[in-house]
Amino acid sequence: GAVVSQHPSRVICKSGTSVKIECRSLDFQATTMFWYRQFPKQSLMLMATSNEGSKATYEQGVEKDKFLINHASLTLSTLTVTSAHPEDSSFYICSASSDSPSPYNEQFFGPGTRLTVL
Amino acid sequence: AQSVAQPEDQVNVAEGNPLTVKCTYSVSGNPYLFWYVQYPNRGLQFLLKYITGDNLVKGSYGFEAEFNKSQTSFHLKKPSALVSDSALYFCAVRDEAYSGAGSYQLTFGKGTKLSVIP
Repeated sequence: GAVVSQHPSRVICKSGTSVKIECRSLDFQATTMFWYRQFPKQSLMLMATSNEGSKATYEQGVEKDKFLINHASLTLSTLTVTSAHPEDSSFYICSASSDSPSPYNEQFFGPGTRLTVL
Repeated sequence: AQSVAQPEDQVNVAEGNPLTVKCTYSVSGNPYLFWYVQYPNRGLQFLLKYITGDNLVKGSYGFEAEFNKSQTSFHLKKPSALVSDSALYFCAVRDEAYSGAGSYQLTFGKGTKLSVIP
């Protein structure tokens, strides 16, 4: 099956700093990548959808200036949490999908990144 | 709008007994249905999907799910539970009516924690 990686798996940073999380599709071209946030014991909340080469589409309530998403290539998307605060601490999960060869577009999930802001 | 309901926050079952994790959905078109499993501090792992065809879908690790259109349900089942099946299970749906090849949104249920008791 398709493999999606995320880096780093864990990151601890000080309040006010910025953190970049990478999401890579290792064996397929991801025309679309999704970024989710998961709070403890809760479901996944879609933050944004990004298509390669275009601006990301953010869900309502998600600050686009705080959560910068770049999808510059068909295998890499990045999420940058700018000026991080303790309330940004969470589990961030990316997923990726492609147009082919499936007749439908299945999402393949990365292993997640645990962000802790002190 | 599409939605998913997982009515049980937690399901407890004895090892060796059959298990069922419930899921109901609501879409305007035809549903694409998915089950994912999440172990602590890990990303989502794909279990199985229903797109079209046979209503009984078999997936990874001995799991299966039955699509019931009249009841709008897609319950996850396993004939004999293992302690290693203990995890968080998410049901997700995509509405076929959504357009746009290469990009679509999955709507997730809130998750059901399965505990298999030795």
